[in-house]
Amino acid sequence: KQEVTQIPAALSVPEGENLVLNCSFTDSAIYNLQWFRQDPGKGLTSLLLIQSSQREQTSGRLNASLDKSSGRSTLYIAASQPGDSATYLCAVVNNNAGNMLTFGGGTRLMVKP
Amino acid sequence: NAGVMQNPRHLVRRRGQEARLRCSPMKGHSHVYWYRQLPEEGLKFMVYLQKENIIDESGMPKERFSAEFPKEGPSILRIQQVVRGDSAAYFCASSQFGGTNSEQYFGPGTRLTVT
Repeated sequence: KQEVTQIPAALSVPEGENLVLNCSFTDSAIYNLQWFRQDPGKGLTSLLLIQSSQREQTSGRLNASLDKSSGRSTLYIAASQPGDSATYLCAVVNNNAGNMLTFGGGTRLMVKP
Repeated sequence: NAGVMQNPRHLVRRRGQEARLRCSPMKGHSHVYWYRQLPEEGLKFMVYLQKENIIDESGMPKERFSAEFPKEGPSILRIQQVVRGDSAAYFCASSQFGGTNSEQYFGPGTRLTVT
């Protein structure tokens, strides 16, 4: 059974810092990994999707890497801003598990002005 | 281009009542997924549907919960005889294709409170 873990559970940084969020998964037989952002009381916004054959994806100040063999992904946020404050979730789709996403518990990020 | 729509956004039910949650997928999407986020817990998959078909319901509780996605109209998640433990945020997602590389887009969620 796939388990997804995100560390740290919460993170507070001053504005302008570069930061890394971590995601690990126990079963490396995945099709893809997705990073989402969730604002309080709101839905999920997809940030980046990495296919299993890819090593990284970039969008603006965000860069996500994937090391499938070791079961790890990182989300790098450059030059953080207060507007980046949110919960960040990673989720994987497993081989032979249909199309369901298995989510980690999330990292709550606070960027202080 | 409207995203995934869910209604109602907030729903309050008394114990024993029925709750009906609606999800309209993005235009052109025929695959719908329901997830539940219990208080202080992560999102958990419930069910995956295509038009008129349930593809995977491995995450659905065995009793009181049902889902449908008719040929016309939104997908419905139905909870009968609600209990306090059903209080949660219910999210719907849709995708254009059904393959495992198809990106899922999420709606804003329905927050169900059972009193």
